[in-house]
Amino acid sequence: DSGVTQTPKHLITATGQRVTLRCSPRSGDLSVYWYQQSLDQGLQFLIQYYNGEERAKGNILERFSAQQFPDLHSELNLSSLELGDSALYFCASSSTVGHEKLFFGSGTQLSVL
Amino acid sequence: GQQVMQIPQYQHVQEGEDFTTYCNSSTTLSNIQWYKQRPGGHPVFLIQLVKSGEVKKQKRLTFQFGEAKKNSSLHITATQTTDVGTYFCSAWEYGNKLVFGAGTILRVKS
Repeated sequence: DSGVTQTPKHLITATGQRVTLRCSPRSGDLSVYWYQQSLDQGLQFLIQYYNGEERAKGNILERFSAQQFPDLHSELNLSSLELGDSALYFCASSSTVGHEKLFFGSGTQLSVL
Repeated sequence: GQQVMQIPQYQHVQEGEDFTTYCNSSTTLSNIQWYKQRPGGHPVFLIQLVKSGEVKKQKRLTFQFGEAKKNSSLHITATQTTDVGTYFCSAWEYGNKLVFGAGTILRVKS
């Protein structure tokens, strides 16, 4: 168990809908990272937060947004969902920023039908 | 942005055979990390290499960082069925992004 908690584990929804994925980092970790894993794209970096502030952004779609709350948990919001958004979404955490090992959660499997 | 290229994409070996995956970058890396993802699981950190020419061992796993810090390899000696999974290399890109290689899927026949 990595100590990173992601909910829900599975999510099935329809195109055009909006969903929220939740992540609780390891106790004491201030940084949260979001990754998307699909079969043909590998692990794609989406966004990173440190202590509530956005610190780095990858190729995250405008339909996607995220935030980190004062209690350090993070949410990834995906809207106007498309079939191609179906993927495994991982959250990871580390104690500070940069050049540290990441601890990954078990992921949320999103299926858009 | 920085990219790390990883080969091979897939390898199927007989139990007891050796396995190697390679990671290459066109730019000098500050460090490189390796992760393993078991089927149906999540990536788990294995090791970080920082120094030019560094070699680290974890039991049957040997990790190397090239002299120019542009390439790295993971070698598994005498594979076992417990080694199955996808092995990823990753590197920190400027701006606190950890970018991953495409991964090498290892299957072991017993």
